[in-house]
Amino acid sequence: EAQVTQNPRYLITVTGKKLTVTCSQNMNHEYMSWYRQDPGLGLRQIYYSMNVEVTDKGDVPEGYKVSRKEKRNFPLILESPSPNQTSLYFCASKRTGGLTYNEQFFGPGTRLTVL
Amino acid sequence: SQKIEQNSEALNIQEGKTATLTCNYTNYSPAYLQWYRQDPGRGPVFLLLIRENEKEKRKERLKVTFDTTLKQSLFHITASQPADSATYLCALDMGNDMRFGAGTRLTVKP
Repeated sequence: EAQVTQNPRYLITVTGKKLTVTCSQNMNHEYMSWYRQDPGLGLRQIYYSMNVEVTDKGDVPEGYKVSRKEKRNFPLILESPSPNQTSLYFCASKRTGGLTYNEQFFGPGTRLTVL
Repeated sequence: SQKIEQNSEALNIQEGKTATLTCNYTNYSPAYLQWYRQDPGRGPVFLLLIRENEKEKRKERLKVTFDTTLKQSLFHITASQPADSATYLCALDMGNDMRFGAGTRLTVKP
């Protein structure tokens, strides 16, 4: 089954304790991205990656890091989480190339609480 | 400043009626526009995509229009059903960069 998976689905942590949220897709998509979703603000892009070893900042990159060492994986790293990073996080991927425009496939979400 | 606005935070309609959701944007030049459905606690799911040179797109009971002069997209669900109740997101895609509206929560009452 074609899908985007994220782990963990739920995480409660404390300020300053480094964490990683994993994201993996099995569709051989070139493009992957991370979003956070907050009430009233909608989905905001954190980082995106056009392909392996290529990453770029989105709308709200402060406090986050990403890496793209393999095509299928795109982990989100919070080196020193703070309470304002409490949010619902989504990973997404899509096929790119040529003039084709494609939909994004989203993961199930990771609900993060930073105390 | 750049903005994406979806007409209302919540929309309630009666089963069988047509739901019309609006997405307006300013200071963006999207190559195309997408609509997604999101159920509580789940990731968005793609519904429809319309390109800047297309006026209208249909898929079953769904219809999307895109007016680049007005900078507006309308999303219609005809013969609505309670199962259509969800939050609907519009998204502007500029290629690498995709921006989402905050969404409209649609409730279809039996």
